[in-house]
Amino acid sequence: AQKITQTQPGMFVQEKEAVTLDCTYDTSDPSYGLFWYKQPSSGEMIFLIYQGSYDQQNATEGRYSLNFQKARKSANLVISASQLGDSAMYFCAMTSNFGNEKLTFGTGTRLTIIP
Amino acid sequence: GAVVSQHPSRVICKSGTSVKIECRSLDFQATTMFWYRQFPKQSLMLMATSNEGSKATYEQGVEKDKFLINHASLTLSTLTVTSAHPEDSSFYICSAGDRGISQPQHFGDGTRLSIL
Repeated sequence: AQKITQTQPGMFVQEKEAVTLDCTYDTSDPSYGLFWYKQPSSGEMIFLIYQGSYDQQNATEGRYSLNFQKARKSANLVISASQLGDSAMYFCAMTSNFGNEKLTFGTGTRLTIIP
Repeated sequence: GAVVSQHPSRVICKSGTSVKIECRSLDFQATTMFWYRQFPKQSLMLMATSNEGSKATYEQGVEKDKFLINHASLTLSTLTVTSAHPEDSSFYICSAGDRGISQPQHFGDGTRLSIL
């Protein structure tokens, strides 16, 4: 079975600072994908970044980067130069071949950017 | 623009009513769609996998007769909450994606269901 753990229920960060959201995972499947989604208060799920288990380099998408440490089974999201619009819930999720493309979500981290 | 459309976005109805929620993939064909449920301040929990042309696969603990799923075409899946009760009030959200575990799922905007 797959499991995603996000240990930070909430975080407060000053605007323009960088922030790291933690995510650890557990799976017995050698091939898997890791995702981060943002959920604003309106409810929609916004895809941010993807990391494949065989990718050699850490994924980056604009201000988002994923700090992938395979041996530690961690996939932390780094947001650089935070903005007020970054305030939202952030979910780490994974899929695997064993899971038939189903997404397993962590419990989420509520990020609040302070002006 | 949105690649997955979910309708309606909000439903308020009386206890005992059946409610149908639609999930459409707009510019791609989806043989598989997923339905999630999210209670306030909680994570998304997968309810079922909707399979085009065949029966849905339900997660453990999800009542098949309560949550009817139909995936009659490659672009449409529907979730019907039958005889809804207040405890069924929740945020329901669907997703669909291209094949492969490396492809991100595209989510609908969700349906906020309130049963009075």
